[in-house]
Amino acid sequence: DAGVIQSPRHEVTEMGQEVTLRCKPISGHNSLFWYRQTMMRGLELLIYFNNNVPIDDSGMPEDRFSAKMPNASFSTLKIQPSEPRDSAVYFCASSLWGSSGEKLFFGSGTQLSVL
Amino acid sequence: KNQVEQSPQSLIILEGKNCTLQCNYTVSPFSNLRWYKQDTGRGPVSLTIMTFSENTKSNGRYTATLDADTKQSSLHITASQLSDSASYICVVTTTGTASKLTFGTGTRLQVTL
Repeated sequence: DAGVIQSPRHEVTEMGQEVTLRCKPISGHNSLFWYRQTMMRGLELLIYFNNNVPIDDSGMPEDRFSAKMPNASFSTLKIQPSEPRDSAVYFCASSLWGSSGEKLFFGSGTQLSVL
Repeated sequence: KNQVEQSPQSLIILEGKNCTLQCNYTVSPFSNLRWYKQDTGRGPVSLTIMTFSENTKSNGRYTATLDADTKQSSLHITASQLSDSASYICVVTTTGTASKLTFGTGTRLQVTL
């Protein structure tokens, strides 16, 4: 298995532009998570899905952020409009929730820079 | 409020030396505790998992301990190698209908020659 696949690996954009991050979870996993990581705050949960349904989006900073999971093999995180304070590394993770003690498998992340 | 605190924030050791990283948590109710290793530019990877009844667990040169009474865990690295240079993140899971993960901010370890 290729693991969790995220794209793009790096994204540089200007303030006000729309940014879309993509994630392909591990096949067979039933839960998908979007995290944001910064030096100051560490890893912060933005939203997680179980069986493609959003369960907890309380970590989504504001209405500028939205996430979708149209099927079991694909999810997107969209920021519109982007702001410089959104600059961070965004990780997608998947798991087979309810087994293996909620072990998360992370992608390699998307490094987002908003100028 | 559920919290996980790790210490030290950063650590530099010589190759071949041992080190111990600490994790204190106030998460309740407790389900399990995991240590993750995050290499630079990569996502975290699970090293160990410990449940309430487990006191110690090893994974190669990594040994994790758990004291559920004092709500403390440690990760001991033996005979460190340059490849151990990474951030180590402690993650505690709660039980219940809405199991949640609480992440520590990590310890950044640098192993030097």
